[in-house]
Formats: sequence, structure tokens, C-alpha cells
Amino acid sequence: EADIYQTPRYLVIGTGKKITLECSQTMGHDKMYWYQQDPGMELHLIHYSYGVNSTEKGDLSSESTVSRIRTEHFPLTLESARPSHTSQYLCASSEYGGGGELFFGEGSRLTVL
Amino acid sequence: AQSVAQPEDQVNVAEGNPLTVKCTYSVSGNPYLFWYVQYPNRGLQFLLKYITGDNLVKGSYGFEAEFNKSQTSFHLKKPSALVSDSALYFCAVRDLNYGQNFVFGPGTRLSVLP
Repeated sequence: EADIYQTPRYLVIGTGKKITLECSQTMGHDKMYWYQQDPGMELHLIHYSYGVNSTEKGDLSSESTVSRIRTEHFPLTLESARPSHTSQYLCASSEYGGGGELFFGEGSRLTVL
Repeated sequence: AQSVAQPEDQVNVAEGNPLTVKCTYSVSGNPYLFWYVQYPNRGLQFLLKYITGDNLVKGSYGFEAEFNKSQTSFHLKKPSALVSDSALYFCAVRDLNYGQNFVFGPGTRLSVLP
């Protein structure tokens, strides 16, 4: 079992609300990632981080923001949720090195009404 | 830029038969290749990887994959499929020239019929 945790697993909220999806890992990995995935579809990288105080935008433009104040913690925030944000958000981490694989959390399924 | 293709959206196989899920890739250097499986409403689980060495890589749950450099392929295989293998499978390559990020294929849905 990978030691990477996401909360909440499921969230239903109304339009305009601010939400934060939490992600924590206990493996000491430097690199962390956020992917967005519609059910059964491909993954899109929206944010990643090389380490503390590092955040980068991914391939898919996203209105969300991230922060990396501690190595183990990489939360994602939406300031004002909209129905178009409805999706599954997957957090992952890896060692900074070519051979290391990605470890994924169980995902946060967000529904915005 | 590196890319990954999974030419089949869906693969159907009868239980007990061998299965193959195809993956081809495009990289500028030596490839680091991975296979992941995703069950409904879950995150992705790591199955196996190729970094260097033997072209046949063995992984979790009886899966294996064959690296073929000349065909730029990394097909996932299992000698005898189980109904519980039904899931979404993703091939990925790690891009050492793009922030060491992972590039995923679009996924292949495997259905094992009893």
C-alpha cells in the first residue's frame, strides 16, 4: 500500500464555494503532482512541485492553485467552484529520479452543483 | 516531446485466455516505461516498470510486459486472465527532459468475460 492520502474522497458543493483538497504523503518524496481525470478517461497533469516552495503548472490549464509549504503536504484550492470543475482529482508523488514510479492517492471526487 | 499511444480503447478477453494490452511510445532518449491499473472510483496502482536490463519485466498480480526497442513498444501481458482483472490500464513514460514528469497514454479498458 502506498502512503499517500487524499481527503475528502467525495465532495458535493454549490457553485461559488471555496474548496481545498488535501494531499499528504509519508514517503519523503520531493516531487508531488495533481492530475484531473473525468471518470474512465485520460489523466491531465494540472500542477506539480519539485519540493518545498516549488509549484509549477501542468499541461492542462486549471483555475485551481496549489501550495507546498511542507514536503509531505500538497493541497489544491479552488477559490470559487463552478460546475465545470466537477471531476476526479488525483494526487501523486515520486522520488526525484528517472527510475522511480508514481504513487497515487485514492482520489477526490468533486461535484459542483 | 515524449508521447504514449494505446491503440485500443477496449480489449475483451475470455477468462482463462491470455491477454495483451498494447502500448507504443515515442522518446528522445532511453525510455523509462510504466504500467498502471485503475479500478472504479480508485487511484492508479503501479503494476510494473522497465528501466534497464531484461526486456521481459514481471510485475504484480501475474502481469508482465515486454519491452521492444525496435518497435518502440511495451505491451502488457498475462498468461491467463481473471474476471477481477477487468479495469482501466494506463501505460506511461517518464520524461527526463520535461521536469521528470510522467506522460500517460489515454488508457485501455479491459473486460474479462466469465
